[in-house]
Amino acid sequence: GAVVSQHPSWVICKSGTSVKIECRSLDFQATTMFWYRQFPKQSLMLMATSNEGSKATYEQGVEKDKFLINHASLTLSTLTVTSAHPEDSSFYICSARPNREQFFGPGTRLTVL
Amino acid sequence: GQNIDQPTEMTATEGAIVQINCTYQTSGFNGLFWYQQHAGEAPTFLSYNVLDGLEEKGRFSSFLSRSKGYSYLLLKELQMKDSASYLCAAMDSNYQLIWGAGTKLIIKP
Repeated sequence: GAVVSQHPSWVICKSGTSVKIECRSLDFQATTMFWYRQFPKQSLMLMATSNEGSKATYEQGVEKDKFLINHASLTLSTLTVTSAHPEDSSFYICSARPNREQFFGPGTRLTVL
Repeated sequence: GQNIDQPTEMTATEGAIVQINCTYQTSGFNGLFWYQQHAGEAPTFLSYNVLDGLEEKGRFSSFLSRSKGYSYLLLKELQMKDSASYLCAAMDSNYQLIWGAGTKLIIKP
């Protein structure tokens, strides 16, 4: 199946710093990518839909100024968590869909101290 | 509104069979997906149904009834490595996935 990579796999940062997470589609072009967040023992929560060459679409309750999304090319979308706080600690997962099947990146575990 | 319902947790015995049910309500329908997610990992694709009936893939099978808004995932010859969460997701008319909360499957020896 299609491959989606994510970097970094895990990151630990101090409160107040910004963290950038990259999501790449390795063997297909993705005009749309999806960013999810998952807290321990909870379901996936869609944060935003990233659109190549245009603004991302954010889900209700997700602050667009805090979670900056850039989809500058057909194979790369980035999520920047600005001024991270401990409550932002979570598992962030991106996904892309070359057809109807949705492929997920391996996820990024963010811990904010 | 759009909604997916699946049991929170199920327990089964190694070597047995287990069926995980999912009911859905979406605006339009473009298919039903099942994903497996092990703890600390991202989901991996298991199956996709868009027509009524049973799709078999090795030890895993998935069933869909569009008229009933119902699907199930059937796991046979359970192995300890099958212990995971199983996520049901329905694709709506905008081709967006609506996710269930997942069913945690616990396999006992």
